[in-house]
Amino acid sequence: DIQMTQSPSSLSASVGDRVTITCRASQGIRNDLGWFQQKPGKAPKRLIYAASTLQSGVPSRFSGSGSGTEFTLTISSLQPEDFATYYCLQYDSYPRTFGQGTKVEIK
Amino acid sequence: QVQLVQSGAEVKKPGASVKVSCKASGYSFTSSEINWVRQAPGQGLEWMGWMNPNNGNTGYALKFQGRVTMTRDTSIDTAYLELVSLTSEDTAVYYCAREEYDLWSGYYPFDPWGQGTLVTVSS
Repeated sequence: DIQMTQSPSSLSASVGDRVTITCRASQGIRNDLGWFQQKPGKAPKRLIYAASTLQSGVPSRFSGSGSGTEFTLTISSLQPEDFATYYCLQYDSYPRTFGQGTKVEIK
Repeated sequence: QVQLVQSGAEVKKPGASVKVSCKASGYSFTSSEINWVRQAPGQGLEWMGWMNPNNGNTGYALKFQGRVTMTRDTSIDTAYLELVSLTSEDTAVYYCAREEYDLWSGYYPFDPWGQGTLVTVSS
């Protein structure tokens, strides 16, 4: 199975901050990586797929990069509605595997 | 719009089984796979398996093999997850999610998701 190691597990940031979350795959997954946002009591929502393709309707302050084993989600200027938990997902092979999640909290 | 709507919350006793439904609308049900993911209280996301609604093919996470069955009814565009021999550790929100596939571009993962179904296992 491919393990996805996501860091940090949590972070505190202020509105307007630049935030970076990283996912590392235990083996190469090309660019078969997605990023998801989950708010309390809600289903996850896809933000990015194919490592860097922004989902339609998602604000451009969200961006993704990486290929192979190292991937990054960046929020260029954190907004109040961005406080949530973020997960990466590899879909290069089965079983699909998620990162452990990163909780973004208000400083 | 593309939507997945799941059945309501369930309370089950240990040893029982549960069947959760996921009704698709807004797209051709047989054109995309359905994946199931669960989330225990306060925990992360755990992938359980996939099903191809076109031919009924399935693939399950090793952890759930022997206890999980994913099926579908194409006449009503609905996918099902059945989990048997429930224990308290199966208490979780269960989600279905669509995964598209394109011959040239590969997979488009997990969009949209159903709203989730809370399954509580308690004596």
